[in-house]
Amino acid sequence: IAGITQAPTSQILAAGRRMTLRCTQDMRHNAMYWYRQDLGLGLRLIHYSNTAGTTGKGEVPDGYSVSRANTDDFPLTLASAVPSQTSVYFCASSTGAYNEQFFGPGTRLTVL
Amino acid sequence: GQNIDQPTEMTATEGAIVQINCTYQTSGFNGLFWYQQHAGEAPTFLSYNVLDGLEEKGRFSSFLSRSKGYSYLLLKELQMKDSASYLCAVSPGGSYIPTFGRGTSLIVHP
Repeated sequence: IAGITQAPTSQILAAGRRMTLRCTQDMRHNAMYWYRQDLGLGLRLIHYSNTAGTTGKGEVPDGYSVSRANTDDFPLTLASAVPSQTSVYFCASSTGAYNEQFFGPGTRLTVL
Repeated sequence: GQNIDQPTEMTATEGAIVQINCTYQTSGFNGLFWYQQHAGEAPTFLSYNVLDGLEEKGRFSSFLSRSKGYSYLLLKELQMKDSASYLCAVSPGGSYIPTFGRGTSLIVHP
């Protein structure tokens, strides 16, 4: 693994189903983030984690949950997917405060 | 709350210079980032400004005026590959997590 990876690349999901988007980084970054990007709305923060064992809510957290059991992994779970969660999801990491973010390649999720 | 404004779209000619503006209103300030995002790809870091003035990095420069809540990204000697979306992001006071503007789509034509 080099940098930050996400899986799956894309997914079509039936409404009401549970889905976990995976994110793994090998840069030993303390901070990790989940964003969604929708046309015309830019990147919006869903959840973040300052360090392993801690998480926080971003701008649009409803319907999503995260966990940070270790430094490398930061999965995002949709407990019961709805069509409004159709979006491109980006995971990012940074070394910490005031540092640039490194983004994963994204997951394109469609909820029908 | 925070408010970050950028033009939605700009066009420019190959070889020219273009300036992409970003204005912001935040509670405090801990730095401003610029990212580049090509269609279908992830954003990549371009620059970070926390003090007033111009930061130059090759063909790209970024300027900040904290008193005016204003930044710009200057792209010189434009190339076709510079066609992308440019995202301005601001870290407010009390938080290091940046809030992103909606991005400026730059189209470079021959």
